[in-house]
Amino acid sequence: DQQVKQNSPSLSVQEGRISILNCDYTNSMFDYFLWYKKYPAEGPTFLISISSIKDKNEDGRFTVFLNKSAKHLSLHIVPSQPGDSAVYFCAASEADMRFGAGTRLTVKP
Amino acid sequence: NAGVMQNPRHLVRRRGQEARLRCSPMKGHSHVYWYRQLPEEGLKFMVYLQKENIIDESGMPKERFSAEFPKEGPSILRIQQVVRGDSAAYFCASSPRQGWHYGYTFGSGTRLTVV
Repeated sequence: DQQVKQNSPSLSVQEGRISILNCDYTNSMFDYFLWYKKYPAEGPTFLISISSIKDKNEDGRFTVFLNKSAKHLSLHIVPSQPGDSAVYFCAASEADMRFGAGTRLTVKP
Repeated sequence: NAGVMQNPRHLVRRRGQEARLRCSPMKGHSHVYWYRQLPEEGLKFMVYLQKENIIDESGMPKERFSAEFPKEGPSILRIQQVVRGDSAAYFCASSPRQGWHYGYTFGSGTRLTVV
């Protein structure tokens, strides 16, 4: 059962532009949503989270938006930097955490 | 190193052998989660454990796979009679309590190759 879906396996953007990564979920009981970043041969690292009672959370260049009615969240990175190139996982939490399949972001200099 | 420690980093097993993957959670964390990442796929939840208890094993294959988190020592993910399809990266994560919304801490993973 794929409760968390990332439908874009890859995204390529130019340095300095905005990166928008999308995520959809099916379980309305999820109460927290998170984004993780993963480099090759490393474990995922936590990036930013948002409670289901909010619709936006911002941390520096990273902003997460939540649309509960559409069961959709997105991560905006602006401006994008080459060091942001990684796989980004969306995750949703109830008692434990479920992950999407990931989106590989490539930021070109 | 106060992070989540997984060992070994790489494990090669022949078909039919047993694989044992270890995870020591962060200091102060009593909740452990195991995830599997198959090649070109995302992270799939396998099992959630607290000390001496399995809380949720809904993602574990019904046969050959087992997990434990004893009172003393690391959490162990055990795969009996491995097959080629078990080749994957296995990640362990920990948190200080259930419903921890500030992100689990992940280890660097164990890459299992079945030959």
